[in-house]
Amino acid sequence: EAQVTQNPRYLITVTGKKLTVTCSQNMNHEYMSWYRQDPGLGLRQIYYSMNVEVTDKGDVPEGYKVSRKEKRNFPLILESPSPNQTSLYFCASSLGTGVGNQPQHFGDGTRLSIL
Amino acid sequence: KQEVTQIPAALSVPEGENLVLNCSFTDSAIYNLQWFRQDPGKGLTSLLLIQSSQREQTSGRLNASLDKSSGRSTLYIAASQPGDSATYLCAVTITGTASKLTFGTGTRLQVTL
Repeated sequence: EAQVTQNPRYLITVTGKKLTVTCSQNMNHEYMSWYRQDPGLGLRQIYYSMNVEVTDKGDVPEGYKVSRKEKRNFPLILESPSPNQTSLYFCASSLGTGVGNQPQHFGDGTRLSIL
Repeated sequence: KQEVTQIPAALSVPEGENLVLNCSFTDSAIYNLQWFRQDPGKGLTSLLLIQSSQREQTSGRLNASLDKSSGRSTLYIAASQPGDSATYLCAVTITGTASKLTFGTGTRLQVTL
């Protein structure tokens, strides 16, 4: 089954404790990205990757890191989490940019609470 | 900066009614527009994608239209069912922004028995 898998689905942690949210897709997609969703603000892009070893900032990259060492994986790293990073996070992937206008596929989300 | 607005923020209709959800965007230089459905505790499911050169797309009881010149899209749901209850999001991809989606804040739909 084609899917985007995020782990963990839920996490409560404390300020300053490094954490990683994993994202994996099994569709051989080139393009992957991370969004956060906050009430009243909608979904905003954090980082994106157009292919292996190619990443770039989205609209709200501060406090986050990403890496793309393999095509299928795109982890989101919070080196020193703070309470303002409490949010619902989504990973998404698509076949590629400008490739027949392919739709984006989303994971089920990761709810992070930073105390 | 592209802004996407969805009105209304919430909508409640009785089962069987036809309904229209609205989406407007400020910059007409879009690559495509996508409608998503979001269920509580779940991710986003792509419903319809309209390329900038298209006027509409249909899938089952859903029909989405796009008017780039006026910066508007509508999602028409025919014969609504309780299972259609969810939050509906529209998102645009701006030309030259490498597939980045700019989202509206959604319309929360409840279809009652």
